[in-house]
Amino acid sequence: QQQVKQSPQSLIVQKGGISIINCAYENTAFDYFPWYQQFPGKGPALLIAIRPDVSEKKEGRFTISFNKSAKQFSLHIMDSQPGDSATYFCAASLTSGYSTLTFGKGTMLLVSP
Amino acid sequence: DGGITQSPKYLFRKEGQNVTLSCEQNLNHDAMYWYRQDPGQGLRLIYYSQIVNDFQKGDIAEGYSVSREKKESFPLTVTSAQKNPTAFYLCASSMFRRELEETQYFGPGTRLLVL
Repeated sequence: QQQVKQSPQSLIVQKGGISIINCAYENTAFDYFPWYQQFPGKGPALLIAIRPDVSEKKEGRFTISFNKSAKQFSLHIMDSQPGDSATYFCAASLTSGYSTLTFGKGTMLLVSP
Repeated sequence: DGGITQSPKYLFRKEGQNVTLSCEQNLNHDAMYWYRQDPGQGLRLIYYSQIVNDFQKGDIAEGYSVSREKKESFPLTVTSAQKNPTAFYLCASSMFRRELEETQYFGPGTRLLVL
């Protein structure tokens, strides 16, 4: 049972454009939503994360938008650069008590020069 | 440098052979994890451990085994019972604090190939 659905599977954006990746979750108890960035042949690295008590979090060119009622959250990459070309994973977990991260299937982003 | 190391970077397995993937961390993290990554499948949890001498099965534990004898180390054995072992294996670790986000830090991965 996939609890975090991520779309699109792949995305091509021109340099300077906005990249948008969406995720939807099923478990309403989830209260921690990180995004990871993975370059080919490397391990994923935490990019940005949000708690459901805020609707938006921004770090540089990266923004998470969170819609609790719709059970959706998205990653926006402003002014996309070729160096942003990577696979992006959303994830969700509980912080009360112990739980593991549930990952989406990933989005391959290609930013064309 | 603090971090997570995985070895080897590439590993080849012959049919019927058990192989062990190494994962070491010097971040003083309590919890450690093993994931399997296949193209288009995301990261699937194999096993995880919250404390030394204790570990739990993840979503796809069949054909794998682990041990956690030291806080710093969490080796994964891919047994001959795992019929489709070819994948990219990722180890991760995190602090175990109930009140805080448990950011997981990942190692560089081991690619396992079957001969």
